[in-house]
Amino acid sequence: QKEVEQDPGPLSVPEGAIVSLNCTYSNSAFQYFMWYRQYSRKGPELLMYTYSSGNKEDGRFTAQVDKSSKYISLFIRDSQPSDSATYLCATSTGNAGNNRKLIWGLGTSLAVNP
Amino acid sequence: DAGVIQSPRHEVTEMGQEVTLRCKPISGHNSLFWYRQTMMRGLELLIYFNNNVPIDDSGMPEDRFSAKMPNASFSTLKIQPSEPRDSAVYFCASSSRLADYEQYFGPGTRLTVT
Repeated sequence: QKEVEQDPGPLSVPEGAIVSLNCTYSNSAFQYFMWYRQYSRKGPELLMYTYSSGNKEDGRFTAQVDKSSKYISLFIRDSQPSDSATYLCATSTGNAGNNRKLIWGLGTSLAVNP
Repeated sequence: DAGVIQSPRHEVTEMGQEVTLRCKPISGHNSLFWYRQTMMRGLELLIYFNNNVPIDDSGMPEDRFSAKMPNASFSTLKIQPSEPRDSAVYFCASSSRLADYEQYFGPGTRLTVT
């Protein structure tokens, strides 16, 4: 079993829909939870990060972490064609010292149709 | 800042040839990561450096792969000899100690081994 599981999709929605993207993880030591967005033929870029449990909102995007169920979510409201990309979740224990590894999900491919 | 710079952007080579990928991280970042991305396996961490020192190379697939970071502004990933199964997009990323959950990715090198 991978440490972070993510349904690769693809997910196709009409413009304006609410999109829900999800990951599950197995290591209870994870404390940092990130969502990266990757456009076609580009490198991933950080979209949002959350420390520990709770919600974080940034414009049309909301990141949610439920540590009790080891579940990570990203919600996109009023989705736009420009949101079409692959969304990757990533986690980290955030330990001090030299540990800088992020553990990645496979990514979910999203297409928002005009 | 120009961001993470990778070269070449595309590489087509024949099986058995040596391939060298190059990366210049963002100035001031102290961690550097080499990833490989394929449809089947997603984003895989090959090796990462902290302050120019290799910390974790457990993701390097086999002895054909080697990586160096002679100084804070340059790193190479070498494959010798290359095989068709090495065909993938190789990303370099860097991060700073102040926000190690945020990795900045380069544009990637698309490697095709025939």
